[in-house]
Amino acid sequence: SYEVTQPVSVSVALGQTARITCGGNNIGEKLVHWHQQKPGEAPVLVMSRDNNRPSGIPARFSGSNSGNTATLTISSVQVGDEADYYCQVWDGSVAEVFGGGTKLTVL
Amino acid sequence: QAQLQESGPGLVKPLETLSLTCSFSGFSIGRPYFGAWIRQPPGKGLEWIASVYSNENIYYNPALRSRVSISVDASRSHFSLSLGSVTAADTAVYFCARQVIVGDPFDLWGRGTLVTVSS
Repeated sequence: SYEVTQPVSVSVALGQTARITCGGNNIGEKLVHWHQQKPGEAPVLVMSRDNNRPSGIPARFSGSNSGNTATLTISSVQVGDEADYYCQVWDGSVAEVFGGGTKLTVL
Repeated sequence: QAQLQESGPGLVKPLETLSLTCSFSGFSIGRPYFGAWIRQPPGKGLEWIASVYSNENIYYNPALRSRVSISVDASRSHFSLSLGSVTAADTAVYFCARQVIVGDPFDLWGRGTLVTVSS
């Protein structure tokens, strides 16, 4: 089965840039989506199909995907961006796969 | 406004069957959306369970396939999940969500419902 890996945690200073990665074998050939989840809430889609922002998501959020790594980049990080972030990938045949999630801490 | 809402028992005994319903409005399953179930054990990550377009077009997580059944009703106003022979490892918040097609993102989620497996 296809597996994707995320760092358990990422810390970034307020106003700096956070980069959250999602690694998988040739993941650049797949479409990667990103979800943000705050404590006690349902996930919210923040990036679709590698680099498409849904309506209402700030332009500070961007995405890329190449080779074996997809990246969600959050520039000018704000306190409100603290959350868990999950990548989502279709394995190409039978299954949706989520990464283990990355906890973003704003210092 | 499109929305989804999970409902069902919050407590299930070990080895029994967990049954949940997702009621939705503002869009249709099968025309053109898939409905999906996703779960999250306490303090852990997300796990996709299954996605349904019609009762003849369903995708299941291979790791759960032997215990899971998902269906959509004739009026297409709700879709359901059954998970059999549950254990404590099945204790989780269960979310329903929608996607345009498998491989697309889950673009709308329900608020989730906690199901605890305990005697």
